[in-house]
Amino acid sequence: DTGVSQNPRHKITKRGQNVTFRCDPISEHNRLYWYRQTLGQGPEFLTYFQNEAQLEKSRLLSDRFSAERPKGSFSTLEIQRTEQGDSAMYLCASSPRGTEQETQYFGPGTRLLVL
Amino acid sequence: DAKTTQPNSMESNEEEPVHLPCNHSTISGTDYIHWYRQLPSQGPEYVIHGLTSNVNNRMASLAIAEDRKSSTLILHRATLRDAAVYYCILSRDTGTASKLTFGTGTRLQVTL
Repeated sequence: DTGVSQNPRHKITKRGQNVTFRCDPISEHNRLYWYRQTLGQGPEFLTYFQNEAQLEKSRLLSDRFSAERPKGSFSTLEIQRTEQGDSAMYLCASSPRGTEQETQYFGPGTRLLVL
Repeated sequence: DAKTTQPNSMESNEEEPVHLPCNHSTISGTDYIHWYRQLPSQGPEYVIHGLTSNVNNRMASLAIAEDRKSSTLILHRATLRDAAVYYCILSRDTGTASKLTFGTGTRLQVTL
């Protein structure tokens, strides 16, 4: 079990550019979550997948953000036309399907800096 | 969603027990109490969770007040590696997967 992995770990981009992050969950975990964390704050929920279906999206997820999980395994989070306010740590978590109170296992995050 | 209130920061000496409090006066009957922690430059890590009864695992203990309006995470012997931000989170049993609603947590400093 190698844990949840995220790539890249760091990304610096210029305002207006598009960026894409990848998350590889723990093998056989059906559920995958994306969170965003700004400095000094706790993580905030963005969206959630069960297998390949995106079942919930936060209002934080503007139309510039899109997430996919095409085969129910890895997931990508794309931000189009980045803004300086998008600078944050983007965290991915996965959990096995089971009871609702299952543990979420987090990756190390992708730190985005928009200049 | 029910909210939690935690102190912004706490300090402890190494090898001493640490009691991290959390108030959740508006908790509902189906809300579970979860604790996660986040070490510097890492993603959050599950610590423990419970509903009504006190819980123990290899990392910590969770003491839940009888009225469930507060709880305490207990680290029995703090080490330098326990220095982290600790989050107390309520998670409602809705029949679907549970997103976690983090607050700002308690930053625990551990000194020699």
